[in-house]
Amino acid sequence: QKEVEQNSGPLSVPEGAIASLNCTYSDRGSQSFFWYRQYSGKSPELIMFIYSNGDKEDGRFTAQLNKASQYVSLLIRDSQPSDSATYLCAVSRSYNTDKLIFGTGTRLQVFP
Amino acid sequence: GAGVSQSPRYKVAKRGQDVALRCDPISGHVSLFWYQQALGQGPEFLTYFQNEAQLDKSGLPSDRFFAERPEGSVSTLKIQRTQQEDSAVYLCASSFDRGMMVEQFFGPGTRLTVL
Repeated sequence: QKEVEQNSGPLSVPEGAIASLNCTYSDRGSQSFFWYRQYSGKSPELIMFIYSNGDKEDGRFTAQLNKASQYVSLLIRDSQPSDSATYLCAVSRSYNTDKLIFGTGTRLQVFP
Repeated sequence: GAGVSQSPRYKVAKRGQDVALRCDPISGHVSLFWYQQALGQGPEFLTYFQNEAQLDKSGLPSDRFFAERPEGSVSTLKIQRTQQEDSAVYLCASSFDRGMMVEQFFGPGTRLTVL
């Protein structure tokens, strides 16, 4: 079992729809959770982080964390073709600087 | 200001050759990470420096991999006697290391192809 699991996709959604990306993790000691976006051939860039149970919203993005279920998700509202990318879930055992454990990523395709 | 830079951006090596990959972190960033990203996979942790101290090298796949950051800024990842399975993108990330939820900023990566 991988430490961080994601469905590789592709997840295809029409423009304007809500995209829902999911991630589960195996280490109950995980404290911090990150969503990175990676365009093809580019480096990962941070979209959001979350460390408390519940929802965290930032513009069109909402991260959801459920530590009891070891589950973290990312919702993208009003999806745009420019959102088409691979979304990487990452976890850390620390609240501070520490290595990130990444999932394999979910490829999102938003079609016009 | 400038982001994390890496050089070379592309490297082709013959099996058995040694390679050296360079990372220039964002100025003032204390922490520096190296990750390896194989095609279709997420980045995998290799090693972590805080200033010049290598605090974690648990992800280095073999003793052919060596990393250093002698002056606490620029870092070099060296791979000796490269093998085909070393082909991947090598990502460097740096962070300012203050407070909680410190963001890691990634460089563009070095794509290594071992023939």
